[in-house]
Amino acid sequence: ETGVTQSPTHLIKTRGQQVTLRCSSQSGHNTVSWYQQALGQGPQFIFQYYREEENGRGNFPPRFSGLQFPNYSSELNVNALELDDSALYLCASSIRRTETEAFFGQGTRLTVV
Amino acid sequence: RKEVEQDPGPFNVPEGATVAFNCTYSNSASQSFFWYRQDCRKEPKLLMSVYSSGNEDGRFTAQLNRASQYISLLIRDSKLSDSATYLCVVPWGGGYNKLIFGAGTRLAVHP
Repeated sequence: ETGVTQSPTHLIKTRGQQVTLRCSSQSGHNTVSWYQQALGQGPQFIFQYYREEENGRGNFPPRFSGLQFPNYSSELNVNALELDDSALYLCASSIRRTETEAFFGQGTRLTVV
Repeated sequence: RKEVEQDPGPFNVPEGATVAFNCTYSNSASQSFFWYRQDCRKEPKLLMSVYSSGNEDGRFTAQLNRASQYISLLIRDSKLSDSATYLCVVPWGGGYNKLIFGAGTRLAVHP
């Protein structure tokens, strides 16, 4: 096991609602990233948090936002949910903020209906 | 051109076979590369890191060709438990750990 934990594991939301996903990083890791994985595709980078600040973002709209807390845990918030937001959301922690392995939590499977 | 490209497969092989997966990438500045394994409806798990020309770990060998921007993963003596999707991963740099994943190559090992 990686030591990265996510909650909840499954979630069903209605279009237009808001959702918050949570992640606890591996001990000693100060960098947390979030990924979205649609069915049949590889994970897509949403953003990264380092020292409680967003320091990198992929091609996702502003309704995807996040936080990192002093204990390095993190949240992903998605507002105004759309059907296409249905996916597996993966949190990954790493020991430094660039060019390094990332260790993933088990993911949150979000279904938007 | 996609940032990271893989043959989607599926590769259907018998136990004991040797199978190789290929991956090409477009970012010539990347210095490290990874192979992850993902079981159905589970999270990706790190299989191997590649920082120089290659890496070997038991039955698994990764090769890197920087000139051709090409990475391969070789699995020898395939086991049933090797059945999974194998993801080629390239960090994109730019001051943060953005990992670019290929779409994955599916492997099915049969008795």
